[in-house]
Amino acid sequence: AQTVTQSQPEMSVQEAETVTLSCTYDTSESDYYLFWYKQPPSRQMILVIRQEAYKQQNATENRFSVNFQKAAKSFSLKISDSQLGDAAMYFCAYRVHGSGNTGKLIFGQGTTLQVKP
Amino acid sequence: DTAVSQTPKYLVTQMGNDKSIKCEQNLGHDTMYWYKQDSKKFLKIMFSYNNKELIINETVPNRFSPKSPDKAHLNLHINSLELGDSAVYFCASSQADRSPLHFGNGTRLTVT
Repeated sequence: AQTVTQSQPEMSVQEAETVTLSCTYDTSESDYYLFWYKQPPSRQMILVIRQEAYKQQNATENRFSVNFQKAAKSFSLKISDSQLGDAAMYFCAYRVHGSGNTGKLIFGQGTTLQVKP
Repeated sequence: DTAVSQTPKYLVTQMGNDKSIKCEQNLGHDTMYWYKQDSKKFLKIMFSYNNKELIINETVPNRFSPKSPDKAHLNLHINSLELGDSAVYFCASSQADRSPLHFGNGTRLTVT
């Protein structure tokens, strides 16, 4: 069974600094997708960034980028120039591609990010 | 122009009652989901429907019954509510298994 592990329950970063959130996953599949979602106190689930496993290039969305290491099954999120609005819980998620699973998302335990002014 | 909307936002009820949560998406997606977020914030899939057909049922007690009248709606009915059902329930939708899930804002269910 696929699993997703976020080993950092809490992280903190100074405003304008850079922080990296860790995520590892376990799967025997070769075709899958990885996502980072952000959940602020409003409890909305907001997509931050996604990575397709067959793409070697790391995804980037403005201040957010990932370090995808397929062989190591690692998918970390780097937030540059951290802003107060980045404070939230961040979830790493895995989604298998192909029939039979119809794309259910498997989530990690989440990392709470605190941004200090 | 909310993409995935759930009602109600908050639901407080007593043990033993029956309640429903409604979900609608206007994104034209084929697949809809229910996820449960427990008190430790862990998110776990409960059900998935594709074009009104049940695809995933993740060992959820049969007190929980999803219903999809059409592909834009997926409602969740819960019978005989228990204290352990207290959680935030999220509805989500996606177009295909290559696309991300779009989530509703969640329904906080409190069973007293």
